[in-house]
Amino acid sequence: DTEVTQTPKHLVMGMTNKKSLKCEQHMGHRAMYWYKQKAKKPPELMFVYSYEKLSINESVPSRFSPECPNSSLLNLHLHALQPEDSALYLCASSQGESNQPQHFGDGTRLSIL
Amino acid sequence: AQSVTQLDSQVPVFEEAPVELRCNYSSSVSVYLFWYVQYPNQGLQLLLKYLSGSTLVKGINGFEAEFNKSQTSFHLRKPSVHISDTAEYFCAVRGGTSYGKLTFGQGTILTVHP
Repeated sequence: DTEVTQTPKHLVMGMTNKKSLKCEQHMGHRAMYWYKQKAKKPPELMFVYSYEKLSINESVPSRFSPECPNSSLLNLHLHALQPEDSALYLCASSQGESNQPQHFGDGTRLSIL
Repeated sequence: AQSVTQLDSQVPVFEEAPVELRCNYSSSVSVYLFWYVQYPNQGLQLLLKYLSGSTLVKGINGFEAEFNKSQTSFHLRKPSVHISDTAEYFCAVRGGTSYGKLTFGQGTILTVHP
């Protein structure tokens, strides 16, 4: 069982819809991450939150909007997505220091119609 | 900048045979190295990590890896594989700065045949 919980597991949405992906961890980690993974590819970093503040944005389009309400929760708000945004979205967390491994959730499989 | 190269995109092997998945990295600073496994329709699970100290690192599920600084390699090995080891394996490197970016290799699909 993963210690990082992501909901929903699957999401199908139209290009005009607004939806949110949620991620939760109770390991006391202070860094949280969003990754996008296309089929047969490695995960690509999207955002990093450190102590609830956005520290890295890897030039992600504004139709993806991250939010970190508290140290245990991380959201990814979606609006006006494109078909090419269909992918597995993975959340991860870590203690924060660079030598600490990231722990991943099982992801949300997103399909854009 | 740092990068990771996994030399084999696919590795087929028979059950109970040994396996080695190769990983080379490049970085201008001290790095920390990880191997992750991804089973179908799941997230990434940490197999093992090299932070410092002994260059031979043991992980879960009988896997081990050896850090070789001179060859900038971090190859993953298992002496006897099982059908259940069929999955995709990612080598990753993280740099020396706090909250540094985790850079992944392209992945190696290990297929264990009966």
